[in-house]
Amino acid sequence: AQKVTQAQTEISVVEKEDVTLDCVYETRDTTYYLFWYKQPPSGELVFLIRRNSFDEQNEISGRYSWNFQKSTSSFNFTITASQVVDSAVYFCALIRGWDTGFQKLVFGTGTRLLVSP
Amino acid sequence: GAVVSQHPSWVICKSGTSVKIECRSLDFQATTMFWYRQFPKQSLMLMATSNEGSKATYEQGVEKDKFLINHASLTLSTLTVTSAHPEDSSFYICSAIRAGEAETQYFGPGTRLLVL
Repeated sequence: AQKVTQAQTEISVVEKEDVTLDCVYETRDTTYYLFWYKQPPSGELVFLIRRNSFDEQNEISGRYSWNFQKSTSSFNFTITASQVVDSAVYFCALIRGWDTGFQKLVFGTGTRLLVSP
Repeated sequence: GAVVSQHPSWVICKSGTSVKIECRSLDFQATTMFWYRQFPKQSLMLMATSNEGSKATYEQGVEKDKFLINHASLTLSTLTVTSAHPEDSSFYICSAIRAGEAETQYFGPGTRLLVL
């Protein structure tokens, strides 16, 4: 079974602080993909990153960085120097590789990030 | 980019009426689209998978006669909430898969439905 756990329900930080959002996943597949999406108050899901199970390189995009650790089944997301505009709900998600057939995207429960001025 | 639109963005209706929500892929063809429902402060729950030219596949617990899905073309899927009731009030989001990028779903902006 596929499962994504985001243990942090809500995180509050002050602007310019760094913050890490945790994501732990469960899967028995060797091929899978992990995602992070941002959902601002408007509701629209914004795609942030996709990572396949064979690529453990960490990635940095501006103030965002992602740490993929297969050994601990984690795919954590760090925002450096947070800004008020980062306030949103962040979802981690998992999908099995398509070589195993049609599969569904499984979402975590989300982490609400509140960045105050 | 891969842009998905939804129409309408907001709808308020009376109990017992039917509401149709459209999901369009604007700059790509989508053989598969998905419909999700999200209640306040909860995660997205997959309702059904829509394949162009065939019947939708519904998740367990989702009433197919209540939530009618039609995927008539490679760029359009519609969700009709029939005989809507207040408990159907929710945020409905669609997503689409672009050819060659089957692992990534591109999401529409969502439709907020309020049934009075």
